[in-house]
Amino acid sequence: AQSVAQPEDQVNVAEGNPLTVKCTYSVSGNPYLFWYVQYPNRGLQFLLKYITGDNLVKGSYGFEAEFNKSQTSFHLKKPSALVSDSALYFCAVGGSSNTGKLIFGQGTTLQVKP
Amino acid sequence: NAGVTQTPKFQVLKTGQSMTLQCAQDMNHEYMSWYRQDPGMGLRLIHYSVGAGITDQGEVPNGYNVSRSTTEDFPLRLLSAAPSQTSVYFCASLLQETQYFGPGTRLLVL
Repeated sequence: AQSVAQPEDQVNVAEGNPLTVKCTYSVSGNPYLFWYVQYPNRGLQFLLKYITGDNLVKGSYGFEAEFNKSQTSFHLKKPSALVSDSALYFCAVGGSSNTGKLIFGQGTTLQVKP
Repeated sequence: NAGVTQTPKFQVLKTGQSMTLQCAQDMNHEYMSWYRQDPGMGLRLIHYSVGAGITDQGEVPNGYNVSRSTTEDFPLRLLSAAPSQTSVYFCASLLQETQYFGPGTRLLVL
């Protein structure tokens, strides 16, 4: 069965510092991996995805994520955090058939302090 | 393109009442899904559809029905609302491996 784990409920970082939001996954076959962001009282916005190819994926708003097959991880990173990055971040995994069935992690709240 | 739209934005129901959450997309996407979001649990898949006339169950389908008579619309029906169905519901459509989410419907069942 597919699963996703986000081990941190909350990540706190100072503005201007690098940030990392962690995600590990379990899936049979080649995974489709995604990061979404949710601002208060809003829907989910797509940030980036890994399907195949380069292990370092670049996405929206300066975010990037590194796919590590041996560690089954897909951590979200940004070199310099902004206060406006404060939000709820979700990692999700889909199988290679990709019929729209995503398994989500429980979410990590990112707090960026000025 | 309006993208994925959902109505209503907010709804209060009494236990036992039924209602339909509407979802529509104008992007001609074949795949659509319904999720519910509960605190600390992420999003969980309720039902999904790979095209008009084809639906299937997700992780938490009990208490919900769906149909897909057109590509554009994918309504979610609560047959007899229960307090455990208090949640935020998101509809999504899929294009090129990426799901695009609607703004959500916040449902409170008393």
